[in-house]
Amino acid sequence: TQLLEQSPQFLSIQEGENLTVYCNSSSVFSSLQWYRQEPGEGPVLLVTVVTGGEVKKLKRLTFQFGDARKDSSLHITAAQPGDTGLYLCAGTYSGTYKYIFGTGTRLKVLA
Amino acid sequence: DSGVTQTPKHLITATGQRVTLRCSPRSGDLSVYWYQQSLDQGLQFLIQYYNGEERAKGNILERFSAQQFPDLHSELNLSSLELGDSALYFCASSEQGGNTDTQYFGPGTRLTVL
Repeated sequence: TQLLEQSPQFLSIQEGENLTVYCNSSSVFSSLQWYRQEPGEGPVLLVTVVTGGEVKKLKRLTFQFGDARKDSSLHITAAQPGDTGLYLCAGTYSGTYKYIFGTGTRLKVLA
Repeated sequence: DSGVTQTPKHLITATGQRVTLRCSPRSGDLSVYWYQQSLDQGLQFLIQYYNGEERAKGNILERFSAQQFPDLHSELNLSSLELGDSALYFCASSEQGGNTDTQYFGPGTRLTVL
């Protein structure tokens, strides 16, 4: 079973702290997406990155795609309890529509 | 609410049985995806359809099959069920099924095999 490696697997932090989640692969992706999933619900897309070195910002969330398109990071500034959830990265390889999902990072932000 | 509907929400059945999960995509979306999520395997891509045709296949077992109908709804059939098939099954849809398309996930069907 092929999965993207995400780290850390679990993260529990206090409100107001910063954090970074990593998504790594040994293969080059044609595109990479980040999702957030809350208990009992389906994942919700946060962002899609396609260009090596690309940086996208979504309010307090900053997403970066590695220059070689093999890795990505998600940085959250001043985390809030509402950021609590399962964060998943997902990618597709060039020439295929198959989606590979990461192992997930379970984030808990304490008030 | 993503606009993707899945039925049933919960399904409890016995080993060896066959079940059908149903998905209705968002209005206007041509592509449907099926995923399996379990605690030990994470979220696994099973299969993708675009406008009635299979576009991509992931780690879908031979005991599982799917189809997309002319009205674009999709069904995932799981047969000869095993305990390990217990999982959350998600359907997602997107406009054109491209790699950069936004996928909208349904609420999932929780399958329990006893």
